[in-house]
Amino acid sequence: QITLKESGPALVNPTLTLTLTCTFSGFSLSTSGVGVGWIRQPPGKALQWLALVYWDDDKRYSPSLKTRLTITKDTSKNQVVLIMTDMDPGDTATYYCARSTTSHGAFDYWGQGTLVTVSS
Amino acid sequence: QSVLTQPPSASGTPGQRVAMFCFGSSSNIGSNTVHWYQQLPGTAPKLLIYTNNQRPSGVPDRFSGSKSGTSASLAISGLQSEDEADYYCASWDDSLNGHWVFGGGTKLTVL
Repeated sequence: QITLKESGPALVNPTLTLTLTCTFSGFSLSTSGVGVGWIRQPPGKALQWLALVYWDDDKRYSPSLKTRLTITKDTSKNQVVLIMTDMDPGDTATYYCARSTTSHGAFDYWGQGTLVTVSS
Repeated sequence: QSVLTQPPSASGTPGQRVAMFCFGSSSNIGSNTVHWYQQLPGTAPKLLIYTNNQRPSGVPDRFSGSKSGTSASLAISGLQSEDEADYYCASWDDSLNGHWVFGGGTKLTVL
C-alpha cells in the first residue's frame, strides 16, 4: 500500500523560510523511474506544481518559483523535503506531495495535504 | 493564470454525458501526454486518467479521455451525483528546462 504524508508548520511569518517534509511508504525513491513532487493549492484556487525530484536526484522546479525552492530526498528515511524561502501571504495554500513515475509521468498517489498559512 | 486553459464550469443531469476540455500549446499538450485529476470537495486530487486515455485501476469506464493536437478532453457518461467535483488537466511542458503545468480546473455540477 502506497501512502504519502506531508508535515510542517501550519503558520509561517512573512519573509521566513518554510520547510515541508513528505514521508512516504510502499515504494522506494531509489527505484528507477520513481519521483516525488510537490503541488500546492491556494484556498479556492487551482493546483500549482512546485518541484519534483527523481530517483537519480534529477530535480525540476517551477520556473516562476525556482529561485525560492529547494527539493531534496533522503532515500534511507523515505522522505522528500521542500524548502521555500521568503514566504509571502500569497503562498498561503494547501501543500501536497505526490508520487510520479516516468512510465507515465502522472502523479498517481497523493498525500492528504497540509495547509500552510503565511501571516504575522 | 494557468498555462493550460479549462472552462471554469460544466454541468449535467444524472445519466447524461458531459465533456470538458483542456487547451494547451505545442510545448505541452502538443508534445506530451495529458493527465486528468478529480478533486472531490475537501479532499486531495486523485488521478483519473493518465497518458491521454488510460484509466488507473478502480476508475469506472464511464470516464474517458482523448487528445488531439494541442487540446484534450475528458468525458463522463452516465453522470452520477458523486461525480460532482473539480477536474484538472496536466501536462509536461518542454520549455524552460521542463516543468509540469496544470489547468485552472473545471467545476462540474450535477443538477
